[in-house]
Amino acid sequence: DAGVIQSPRHEVTEMGQEVTLRCKPISGHNSLFWYRQTMMRGLELLIYFNNNVPIDDSGMPEDRFSAKMPNASFSTLKIQPSEPRDSAVYFCASSLAETENTEAFFGQGTRLTVV
Amino acid sequence: DAKTTQPPSMDCAEGRAANLPCNHSTISGNEYVYWYRQIHSQGPQYIIHGLKNNETNEMASLIITEDRKSSTLILPHATLRDTAVYYCIVRVSRGAQKLVFGQGTRLTINP
Repeated sequence: DAGVIQSPRHEVTEMGQEVTLRCKPISGHNSLFWYRQTMMRGLELLIYFNNNVPIDDSGMPEDRFSAKMPNASFSTLKIQPSEPRDSAVYFCASSLAETENTEAFFGQGTRLTVV
Repeated sequence: DAKTTQPPSMDCAEGRAANLPCNHSTISGNEYVYWYRQIHSQGPQYIIHGLKNNETNEMASLIITEDRKSSTLILPHATLRDTAVYYCIVRVSRGAQKLVFGQGTRLTINP
């Protein structure tokens, strides 16, 4: 398996534009996580899905952020409208949630810069 | 969720054992201790986890105290490639799968 695949790897956009980040989890995994990482705040969990259903979105910072998982092999994180403070590295991770002690596999991240 | 406390940074000489401590004094009986690391610019990587017994795998050893209020991750023969931020995480309640990261320990392996 190629692991968790995120696209794009880098994104530069202007303030006010819509940004869509994409994630393909490892085949067979049924849990998916979106994280944001900045120097100031570290790694923050934004939202978590189990079997394509959002379980906990308490980390989503504002209504400008939304995440979807239309099927088991694809998820998106959308920011509309984007702001400079959204600049960060966004990571997607997946795991097999059959038991509680399973490891999460992370993608390489998308570095977002909003100018 | 139980919180963890780690030193912000540590240094270790190449070839020596790196011992990374973690305090989790409010851990519950059914919560596991997980360790991940993040090498610069990469996504976090799973290292090891345990409940109450000591664990060992090809990457590291995990020593958990008998009262489970603290643990130590041991990299037996540290190499330059082990330079990374190491996160100690206590897994939240049974059935929930989220991993909440703290600030971690920035480990620097010196030649």
